[in-house]
Amino acid sequence: SQTIHQWPATLVQPVGSPLSLECTVEGTSNPNLYWYRQAAGRGLQLLFYSVGIGQISSEVPQNLSASRPQDRQFILSSKKLLLSDSGFYLCAWSRPGTANTEAFFGQGTRLTVV
Amino acid sequence: AQSVTQLDSQVPVFEEAPVELRCNYSSSVSVYLFWYVQYPNQGLQLLLKYLSGSTLVKGINGFEAEFNKSQTSFHLRKPSVHISDTAEYFCAVISSSSASKIIFGSGTRLSIRP
Repeated sequence: SQTIHQWPATLVQPVGSPLSLECTVEGTSNPNLYWYRQAAGRGLQLLFYSVGIGQISSEVPQNLSASRPQDRQFILSSKKLLLSDSGFYLCAWSRPGTANTEAFFGQGTRLTVV
Repeated sequence: AQSVTQLDSQVPVFEEAPVELRCNYSSSVSVYLFWYVQYPNQGLQLLLKYLSGSTLVKGINGFEAEFNKSQTSFHLRKPSVHISDTAEYFCAVISSSSASKIIFGSGTRLSIRP
């Protein structure tokens, strides 16, 4: 069976510090991978998605970047965090090559920038 | 591009009362539709999905939703809610022309009063 791991669960970082959130998927090959951010009262915003190694689509221009160094690894990064980067970050995967598939989510990372 | 609108940010109901959470989408091509539930500080869990066939789909925890193509809606319903249904609910869409991109609505917070 497939599983998705996302860490850390919580993170408190000062303004201006770097960020690295990691997500890995097990039990499947070439998954579609996603990073979403959930800010208080603002729903689920798609930040990045990837259909393969090195292929990243950015949905919202911002202070963040994503990378996919391996097939089942997806990393969310920032060089300098802003207060507005605080939120709940969710990684997800879906089966490749078809639209009729749901997304499977990790447990999320609560990021607080202070 | 596809989009999803959840008209109600919060829905308070009494226990054992019926509930409907509204979702409307826009897309120029055929779509696949999903409802997810999120309990506090957790990832999202799939409730149900519409891929094709019968427009009335049943999901977990007694929820059901009806796909209405003419009204571009996919409203979620439950005939009798329980305290344990207190959570945030998200509607999501994938268009057949953009198989990798899953777009979520802004969410509806369902609060159940005893």
